[in-house]
Amino acid sequence: KQEVTQIPAALSVPEGENLVLNCSFTDSAIYNLQWFRQDPGKGLTSLLLIQSSQREQTSGRLNASLDKSSGRSTLYIAASQPGDSATYLCAVRLETSGSRLTFGEGTQLTVNP
Amino acid sequence: AAGVIQSPRHLIKEKRETATLKCYPIPRHDTVYWYQQGPGQDPQFLISFYEKMQSDKGSIPDRFSAQQFSDYHSELNMSSLELGDSALYFCASSLDGEQGMWNTEAFFGQGTRLTVV
Repeated sequence: KQEVTQIPAALSVPEGENLVLNCSFTDSAIYNLQWFRQDPGKGLTSLLLIQSSQREQTSGRLNASLDKSSGRSTLYIAASQPGDSATYLCAVRLETSGSRLTFGEGTQLTVNP
Repeated sequence: AAGVIQSPRHLIKEKRETATLKCYPIPRHDTVYWYQQGPGQDPQFLISFYEKMQSDKGSIPDRFSAQQFSDYHSELNMSSLELGDSALYFCASSLDGEQGMWNTEAFFGQGTRLTVV
C-alpha cells in the first residue's frame, strides 16, 4: 500500500526566510506528484504538478523537485510571506491505482511577520 | 477561468437523514473524483468516474453512492447519515483523455462541509 509522509508536520518561520517542505512516498511507480495548498476549512489549490519523467517544476517563488527512484519530493518556498501561511499537501498518482491521488498528511506552515 | 463548482457549500443534516452533494467539473474535463476530509486529516479517496463510468473505488461506505450524468456533473448520495460522516467533501476534475493516461493535473472544488447532528 502506498504511504505518503510529509515532514515536518508543522513549521513556523519568520517572514523572508527560504524554506523546504519534504514529501516521501513508498512506491516509486508513480504517474505524477502534485503539491497543493489548503487554507483552513477551504479547498485545495493546485500549486505544481511534476510528471514522473521530470526532475523539477517552478512557479514564481515555488520550486518543486522530484527524485522518483528514492521516493522523495521537496517544495522550496523562497522569501516566505505571511500570506504563504497554510497547510501544504503533496499527493501522488500510483501507476497501479489508476486515477486516484494518495495524499500525505500535510505540513502546516506559519510565516510570522 | 472556470473552476470546479460544488453545491451546497454547507449542509446540516440529522442522523439517519440523506444528503446529496453536487459537483460541476471544469468544462471539457472527463474525470471526476470525490474525496472526504475529516477534521485534521488528509483527503481520503472515495470514488471516481471517467467518461461517466466508474473508474476507481476507494473507501466509500455502502451507504454512499455516486454517479456522473450525461452533462458530466456528478452527485454523491449519502444515506443513513452518521455523526462520523461529518467532514469536508471535495470534488475534483481532470482532463485525462485516453483512459489509463492518469498524468494530468487535478483541480479541486471548494468543498461541501457536511455536519451531521
